[in-house]
Amino acid sequence: EIVLTQSPDTLSLSPGERATLSCRASQSVSSTYLAWYQQKPGQAPRLLIYGASSRATGIPDRFSGSGSGTDFTLTISRLEPEDFAVYFCQQYGSSPYTFGQGTKLEIK
Amino acid sequence: QVQLQQSGPGLVKPSQTLSLTCAISGDSVSSNSAAWNWIRQSPSRGLEWLGRTYYRSKWYNDYAASVKSRITINPDTSKNQFSLQLNSVTPEDTAVYYCARGGYGGNSRLFDYWGQGTLVTVSS
Repeated sequence: EIVLTQSPDTLSLSPGERATLSCRASQSVSSTYLAWYQQKPGQAPRLLIYGASSRATGIPDRFSGSGSGTDFTLTISRLEPEDFAVYFCQQYGSSPYTFGQGTKLEIK
Repeated sequence: QVQLQQSGPGLVKPSQTLSLTCAISGDSVSSNSAAWNWIRQSPSRGLEWLGRTYYRSKWYNDYAASVKSRITINPDTSKNQFSLQLNSVTPEDTAVYYCARGGYGGNSRLFDYWGQGTLVTVSS
């Protein structure tokens, strides 16, 4: 099973700032099958990024993903008020399809 | 637009069976490109993929090892829905349970549509 570790656990920033979230895998994620999801309180996760760097339909271009192998990054270039939420990475290259523990992005 | 509507009890006694159903609209449980998943979320275990069912000329199932001995996911083509059964539950199984479609961009392992979530508490 591939274990995903996200850092930091909590990130405190202000609107307009740049956010950088990290996801590290315990073994190489095949074919960059790495996704990022956003979750707001009381809601299901929403797909943001797939294939490590491709934005899902309707996702603003301030969201970008990068990385390969075992190290991946989600960057939000200029934070909007609606971006404060919890973010999860997920690998879908091999079963079981595992998630990271999440990074909470909170308003400073 | 795909919609998933979950139903089932929110309280289950220890050692009994947890049963949830996910009704699909806007797609078919027999789709040749999608997969139908159950995922749970708890403070102690985070987001945990439990398993899926999918149709590729015949029916397949794929389960996480952590629950493999206790889980069954079944499609119901007559009602266009799928179900989760988790046997011999303990308080550790207390979580919000989600059904989700795997199918974004034709990839059955990318979760693009989710149910509303059901909080299931295991308690006597």
